[in-house]
Amino acid sequence: EPEVTQTPSHQVTQMGQEVILRCVPISNHLYFYWYRQILGQKVEFLVSFYNNEISEKSEIFDDQFSVERPDGSNFTLKIRSTKLEDSAMYFCASSERGGEISPLHFGNGTRLTVT
Amino acid sequence: KQEVTQIPAALSVPEGENLVLNCSFTDSAIYNLQWFRQDPGKGLTSLLLIQSSQREQTSGRLNASLDKSSGRSTLYIAASQPGDSATYLCAVDLYNFNKFYFGSGTKLNVKP
Repeated sequence: EPEVTQTPSHQVTQMGQEVILRCVPISNHLYFYWYRQILGQKVEFLVSFYNNEISEKSEIFDDQFSVERPDGSNFTLKIRSTKLEDSAMYFCASSERGGEISPLHFGNGTRLTVT
Repeated sequence: KQEVTQIPAALSVPEGENLVLNCSFTDSAIYNLQWFRQDPGKGLTSLLLIQSSQREQTSGRLNASLDKSSGRSTLYIAASQPGDSATYLCAVDLYNFNKFYFGSGTKLNVKP
């Protein structure tokens, strides 16, 4: 069964450094998302992306964050200057269509540790 | 802001039992509700998606119901097995953008 793949599985970085988290969504999916889960907390929506632009973002997704689909297969999340509080599991997801009738498919996540 | 609550936070049952996991949400104007399973260190696996116009969905031993007016959903697991041990998450989409609000989950342990 097709799946969403994320790399790396674990990333350790120093505070203030830039990180790029990578995702390959399912090939026929058109909608892409990033969610995150801080340890012990709920899964939180960050951003959705369709037709090469952001369609929705949360208040968490400030100017330090950006997303890009640099080619036909990859979807990336960049954090420009990491903070300690950015430490979390970051999940990429994709769906065939938006909303009501199209379930989300998640990757296994990238655990980001900021020291 | 939408708040999603799941009860109980943890549940331990012997193999073979039928069980019910509960989810409640504060804003009933949802587009859909999705139940996910999360295994330790892994991503989320979609189990069932219920559209706002539906009352329930079934997949194998799983049945999810939705009562929008009361802001509740239940996930029923029949004849539980040790392989069902995982955290079960409920999530609601308010805006039809797959912008989900998640509950904290119910951690299920099925004992052999």
